[in-house]
Amino acid sequence: GAVVSQHPSWVICKSGTSVKIECRSLDFQATTMFWYRQFPKQSLMLMATSNEGSKATYEQGVEKDKFLINHASLTLSTLTVTSAHPEDSSFYICSARVSGFTYEQYFGPGTRLTVT
Amino acid sequence: QQQVKQSPQSLIVQKGGISIINCAYENTAFDYFPWYQQFPGKGPALLIAIRPDVSEKKEGRFTISFNKSAKQFSLHIMDSQPGDSATYFCAAAQATGGFKTIFGAGTRLFVKA
Repeated sequence: GAVVSQHPSWVICKSGTSVKIECRSLDFQATTMFWYRQFPKQSLMLMATSNEGSKATYEQGVEKDKFLINHASLTLSTLTVTSAHPEDSSFYICSARVSGFTYEQYFGPGTRLTVT
Repeated sequence: QQQVKQSPQSLIVQKGGISIINCAYENTAFDYFPWYQQFPGKGPALLIAIRPDVSEKKEGRFTISFNKSAKQFSLHIMDSQPGDSATYFCAAAQATGGFKTIFGAGTRLFVKA
């Protein structure tokens, strides 16, 4: 089956610093990648849609200057949390949608971010 | 505004029993309804999905029932096993919405041995 990886799987950073999370589709091309945020025992909240070669589309209420998304290739999207604060601590999950007119998408294993 | 409502929040079922999780949606433009299973600390994994032109879909022990007129759909897990203990999310997506997937609140299922 198709595999999506995320790196790192777990990261701790200090308040005020930035952290980058990578999402890679390992064996398929993904024109579109989605970034989600999940708090403990809660649902996945869509943060933004990332399309290869174009600017990301952010959901209402998501600060685009704080959560920088870059979709540099058909297999890689990155999420950078800038000037992180403790309230940014969360589980960040990406998904990659197979290129073409299809709903087929695969989720990464998630990245646990802790801001101290 | 929550577009996909899911119930119950938690569910305890005896081994061998049937687990039933229900969802309702509001946006009639949704045209794809997947169910995901998530274990703690992991990303969600697709279990089964249905399109609105079908009223039921079965894959192994998992069945989706879909009622388009009522805008409701449900997941039935037959012969529930302790290994099925996880959080289950219903979701909905639409092609015209860029294939974005909106998740329900989730149901934490515990199957007692």
